[in-house]
Amino acid sequence: ILNVEQSPQSLHVQEGDSTNFTCSFPSSNFYALHWYRWETAKSPEALFVMTLNGDEKKKGRISATLNTKEGYSYLYIKGSQPEDSATYLCASPRLGSARQLTFGSGTQLTVLP
Amino acid sequence: NAGVTQTPKFQVLKTGQSMTLQCAQDMNHNSMYWYRQDPGMGLRLIYYSASEGTTDKGEVPNGYNVSRLNKREFSLRLESAAPSQTSVYFCASSESGTSGSKQFFGPGTRLTVL
Repeated sequence: ILNVEQSPQSLHVQEGDSTNFTCSFPSSNFYALHWYRWETAKSPEALFVMTLNGDEKKKGRISATLNTKEGYSYLYIKGSQPEDSATYLCASPRLGSARQLTFGSGTQLTVLP
Repeated sequence: NAGVTQTPKFQVLKTGQSMTLQCAQDMNHNSMYWYRQDPGMGLRLIYYSASEGTTDKGEVPNGYNVSRLNKREFSLRLESAAPSQTSVYFCASSESGTSGSKQFFGPGTRLTVL
């Protein structure tokens, strides 16, 4: 993996369902993995910054895990609500530049009532 | 706290015109960033300033210049706008310039170049 890739590109779930999506990133020279939530007509808002292999972070019904050896992170949402509808972005530093984040294209989540 | 503010919110330019996008933060952050966001693509870094007095190129710097005016303010200038610069521009800031420091984003500037 040379870039940050996210899957799926979009996802529709019913209210109450649990869901998860994936971020893949270059595993060599790992520094950090960021997750952001981006609601329509607003600006991206940080959810988590993860730096250690095996890290797990939680914020309410949203949690994330990190595997730096294989270069992936999962974001989980338990009991999705319509207000969870947003685009979820992950980002990791560019190869060769620890200070510059490369963002994935995002997973667009729609939670249907 | 206002967080990160950007002006203007919207702008339409003609090819060849110049303009400056303004960004300010009131969180006493050391690092500031300019990104552009285009449909189907992730946010791409144009320039960043790890600390007051320093600036560095990001992934897509061509056609842009920046000024870190002081710790609070970081401006982005388009000297001769081109249609390829039609985009939404986001300014962000973080406490430090390290990759483990989360970034706080402004509301964005939607720029159209005709």
